[in-house]
Parts: sequence; C-alpha cells; structure tokens
Amino acid sequence: GQQVMQIPQYQHVQEGEDFTTYCNSSTTLSNIQWYKQRPGGHPVFLIQLVKSGEVKKQKRLTFQFGEAKKNSSLHITATQTTDVGTYFCAGSGGKLIFGQGTELSVKP
Amino acid sequence: NAGVTQTPKFQVLKTGQSMTLQCAQDMNHNSMYWYRQDPGMGLRLIYYSASEGTTDKGEVPNGYNVSRLNKREFSLRLESAAPSQTSVYFCASSGGHLSNQPQHFGDGTRLSIL
Repeated sequence: GQQVMQIPQYQHVQEGEDFTTYCNSSTTLSNIQWYKQRPGGHPVFLIQLVKSGEVKKQKRLTFQFGEAKKNSSLHITATQTTDVGTYFCAGSGGKLIFGQGTELSVKP
Repeated sequence: NAGVTQTPKFQVLKTGQSMTLQCAQDMNHNSMYWYRQDPGMGLRLIYYSASEGTTDKGEVPNGYNVSRLNKREFSLRLESAAPSQTSVYFCASSGGHLSNQPQHFGDGTRLSIL
C-alpha cells in the first residue's frame, strides 16, 4: 500500500541555522499537505501543494513539491525558538497518509 | 468557534474495560477522522467517515468501533481495552473530500491502559 517516509526523524539546530525535512512517497501523489505540531499540542495545517514542481513560501518557510509528485520538502531559513515542534507531511493518493514526522529542536 | 472538541482529555483504563471517546465539530464539515499517535509512528488513521451515515476502516481499525451519530459527532469506542491501545487519540474533520482539504484537529485524548 501507499507509504510516506519522512527524514530525518530528529533534527537539533542552533538558533539561526537552517532546517530541512524531506518527504518521499512510494506512489505518485495527488497532493501533499504539511502540518506542525507543537510539543503537547495537536497538528495544525500549514499548507497544501497540488501542482508538479510547485514552490510556496510562508515567511521563512519554503515548501516544494517534486516534479514527479512523489516527494516534497520543507525548508526553514534562520530557525527561531518558535519553530520548535514536529513537522509532518501527509500525502494523498486516495486517503491522506502521514509521514512519521521530523522533530525539530532549536537551541537558543 | 470551538472547532473540533474532544472529550475526555485524559483517561486511565484497566485492561478489558470499555470506553467511548467523543468528538464534535462545529465547522459543518462532511468528513471526520480518528487517528492514533504513537512515538516515532506519526499519525495512523483508525477509522474515517466521509459523510454522515458512512464509516470506513483506516490503517489500524482492529479493536475499535466508530459511530457517526450526526454530521457534528463522531465517536470512537474501545470495547475491551488492551495495553497496546495506550496512545494519544486525535479526532479531525475536513470540509471536502477525504484528502484534498485541510484537516482540523482536536486537542487529543491521552489514554493509558494498565
């Protein structure tokens, strides 16, 4: 069945450093969504990508959808302590399948 | 608006006990979902309801039952709790088709089974 793999599982950065998490699907996706979950909180929707090769930006966050619609990435420029949390991708080939998440910690 | 409301927030059960987790949304969404979240496993879909009156199995349905009581409410029942069901349970809803609309999550129920 459809699988969505996300790497790395953990990332520790110094405040001000950049951060990237990668998402790969075993099948072609119709769309991909990204969510952020703060420690002790619930997932919150960030963005959805639909088109092949699509790039979207939200302030310091850049989201990309691969040309083959099988992979995606989230890049954060100059991390801040407010970026701490777990970032999930969720790919759709029918039902939405979540990746395992990347837990980001930021050292001030 | 409250969004998605889950009750209870915390629960401790003994093995073999039963309980129902409640979920209600006030966004007039058609689709509702139940997930479980375990460390390192991400969110795994237990059951979903694409519309009022329909329910379907997700990735990990064994040991659970659901009821879509009306458009607002979607409950999850554990008939005979097992320690393997210790987890954080999230209810979510979305406005459109299962996978092409953002999902809105409740605060979660932290369930421990001894």
